[in-house]
Amino acid sequence: DAGVTQSPTHLIKTRGQQVTLRCSPKSGHDTVSWYQQALGQGPQFIFQYYEEEERQRGNFPDRFSGHQYPNYSSELNVNALLLGDSALYLCASSSRVHNEQFFGPGTRLTVL
Amino acid sequence: TQLLEQSPQFLSIQEGENLTVYCNSSSVFSSLQWYRQEPGEGPVLLVTVVTGGEVKKLKRLTFQFGDARKDSSLHITAAQPGDTGLYLCAGRTSNTGKLIFGQGTTLQVKP
Repeated sequence: DAGVTQSPTHLIKTRGQQVTLRCSPKSGHDTVSWYQQALGQGPQFIFQYYEEEERQRGNFPDRFSGHQYPNYSSELNVNALLLGDSALYLCASSSRVHNEQFFGPGTRLTVL
Repeated sequence: TQLLEQSPQFLSIQEGENLTVYCNSSSVFSSLQWYRQEPGEGPVLLVTVVTGGEVKKLKRLTFQFGDARKDSSLHITAAQPGDTGLYLCAGRTSNTGKLIFGQGTTLQVKP
């Protein structure tokens, strides 16, 4: 049983570019949440998707957007990248029945 | 704004010592989770506590949820080098809601 998978593992972009990160949830999970983790800090909630809709959103600008597909996989899109967007982006999946969130290995984004 | 204050931020101890990590908030949480994270990897769930006053044990790790469900602690007995890592507490205010994380405690256990 595969756990949460994320791609790519690492990504280097320049300021102003756009990036798409991908996440496949754990088998049996229908809810995907995205978090941003700066170096040495705890993860910060970006948003959560369930039934292909954004259900909750943290304090992040509209440059951050997402999508969930019918197979429950999800994408995180960030437009007009800033240096401060450099971070580890984590995807977590859960089910509505059992709400514990299980995290993927993350995507390390570096913005130059 | 809901905050989780985690302390200490850094802890460097010798193998065999005991330690306690604290997680405090002014908010009430429906549940609280503890994670351990290795460098370059995602957080791994250790335990979830739900009931005020609940105590859970995982081998040498003991987790406690405060009676008012505003705070939690993680106690490690006889720490080993394999316990080294970043420990994160995360609270949830509703059953399906977002996780609010503390800033983490970096633990280094020296052999």
